[in-house]
Amino acid sequence: KQEVTQIPAALSVPEGENLVLNCSFTDSAIYNLQWFRQDPGKGLTSLLLIQSSQREQTSGRLNASLDKSSGRSTLYIAASQPGDSATYLCAASGNTPLVFGKGTRLSVIA
Amino acid sequence: EPEVTQTPSHQVTQMGQEVILRCVPISNHLYFYWYRQILGQKVEFLVSFYNNEISEKSEIFDDQFSVERPDGSNFTLKIRSTKLEDSAMYFCASSAQGAKGETQYFGPGTRLLVL
Repeated sequence: KQEVTQIPAALSVPEGENLVLNCSFTDSAIYNLQWFRQDPGKGLTSLLLIQSSQREQTSGRLNASLDKSSGRSTLYIAASQPGDSATYLCAASGNTPLVFGKGTRLSVIA
Repeated sequence: EPEVTQTPSHQVTQMGQEVILRCVPISNHLYFYWYRQILGQKVEFLVSFYNNEISEKSEIFDDQFSVERPDGSNFTLKIRSTKLEDSAMYFCASSAQGAKGETQYFGPGTRLLVL
């Protein structure tokens, strides 16, 4: 059974800092790994999707990497801004629909 | 940009009552999903739906739950007799061709509170 873990659970950084969020999964037989953003009390906004055959995806200041063999994905945020404050979720898609981690709650302090 | 919509945004109900949560998936999508997130916990898969039938469901999705596509646009989740532990945020999602290898697009959620 797939288990997804995200570390750290919470992170607070000053504005402008580069940061890395970590996601690990137990079953490497995935089709893709998806990163979402969730603002308090709101829905899920898809940020990046990495297919199992890919190693990374980039969108603006965001870069997500995937290492299937080690069961890890990272989300790199460059030059963080207060507007980046949110909870970031990763989710693995395999033989079962999306399995989510608990998320990392990010606070970017101006 | 097309998006998934959900109504209502908030619902308060008494234990034992029936609730219906509504979703309008993206118009050309064929696969639909319900997930839920209990406060402070992970988002959990409930059910997937394709071609007017359930394609997969989790152990959470017991006989109290049902899904339906009553017309060409709506996708509903019904909880027959709500329990306190059904209080959660319920998310609808859709994808064009299926869960494996494809982006799922999520709606804003319905926050259900059972008293």
